[in-house]
Parts: sequence; structure tokens; C-alpha cells
Amino acid sequence: QSALTQPASVSGSPGQSITISCTGTNTDIGSSEFVSWYQQHPGKAPKLIIYDVDYRPLGVSTRFSGSKSGNTASLTISGLQAEDEADYYCSSYITSNTLYVFGTGTKVTVL
Amino acid sequence: EVQLVESGGGLVQPDRSLRLSCAASGFSFGDYAMNWVRQAPGKGLEWVSGISWNSGHIAYADSVKGRFTISRDNAKNSLYLEINSLRTEDTAFYYCARDRVDSPGYHGMDVWGQGTTVTVSS
Repeated sequence: QSALTQPASVSGSPGQSITISCTGTNTDIGSSEFVSWYQQHPGKAPKLIIYDVDYRPLGVSTRFSGSKSGNTASLTISGLQAEDEADYYCSSYITSNTLYVFGTGTKVTVL
Repeated sequence: EVQLVESGGGLVQPDRSLRLSCAASGFSFGDYAMNWVRQAPGKGLEWVSGISWNSGHIAYADSVKGRFTISRDNAKNSLYLEINSLRTEDTAFYYCARDRVDSPGYHGMDVWGQGTTVTVSS
């Protein structure tokens, strides 16, 4: 199972909105409602920020939102803040034997 | 406080074995599926293995199938990963992560440990 494809980097100015794409195939994202997104700051463990395509865990800022269309999932960060500078990974359920596959990761830079 | 603490990492020679442990606290461990996720130096996340709440469902990434064995002891609130025939490409930071529900794979991993480093080198 190949990793899902994400852009290597995305940048934006404070207050702007940015969108990170996560492209898979019809055997993973295209057929799954179980897409998650994780935020990872340098030297830290990943943090779940979106699950089931567009649900936020308790305590996660409403500035983070998820969506999916066909074989591509997206994470939008609204009102970009300096603290949003981090690596972001998407993930999708694959099969009962393979479970999770992660995306290649996107480095978000706040200009 | 909900917490996962990994241990057991270190410097290991190729073809040797290693057992990683993950101690859970602050939640009902036996109610949740658990996973191991690794991250090679400077690289992205790679899901390694997952286990359901009662060990009835176990899965592995193709890259580790046949060499890695995941297990859990709910009485000890602990998760384990036995790694055999270690390869240099197994060098990574290994995270223990809790699934949001009792079956792994579906709804994301919402609690992560701080990880333990495994370095495979002669």
C-alpha cells in the first residue's frame, strides 16, 4: 500500500486560510469515510485534529476543518496563526488487514 | 491524566531482536484498540501494527509482516511490540497510539506516547 500524496509544503500569512490536499485512490480515500488528520510539531508526538473526514476531537480549534471529494481529502486551516506552523499528515483506513495508511506529510509555514 | 509511556528502545545490531513496551494510565486500557506507529529520522509517519481491545483482531503493515508481533496485557495496562530480525531500515522513533474505539483502523488515534528510539546498526 503506497502512502497517500500530500504537497511537501504549504505556506500562508497570519489570518489567511490554507488548504492541504491528500490524494489517494478509489481503494483507500475514495472508498473510506475514515480519514484522519494529524498535526506534529518538531520533536513532539502527533496530535489528532480531524477524524472521520470532518469531525474535530474535543479541544481542537474550530479553525481546523476537513472534507473529502472523490479520492482526495482536504484539511483547511482558517485564520492561520504562528502556532499552526507544523507538519500535517493525513491518514485513511484501508482494509481490515492493513488498517491505516498515512500521507507523505506537509510542512506548513506561517510567513 | 491520560498517558502512554513507551520503553525498550535502544541501539541494536542487525538480525537481533527487541521488545518494545507501552504502559498506559489514566484511562480504561482494555476498552480501546492500540497501535504502533514509527517515524524514521527526518521522515513521515508509518503505521506499523494495530490490535483490538481483546486481541481478537491484529494487523500489520506489509513492511513488517512476519517479523513484528504485537500483543497486549489488559491486566497490566500494557502494549508490546516484539521485533525480530532487525534491519537498518527499522531504525525509527516508535510511538504507541490509542485508537478512539475498541477496533483499530477506523476513527483515528487520539492519544500518543512520546516514543522510544530504535537504532539498528552494527
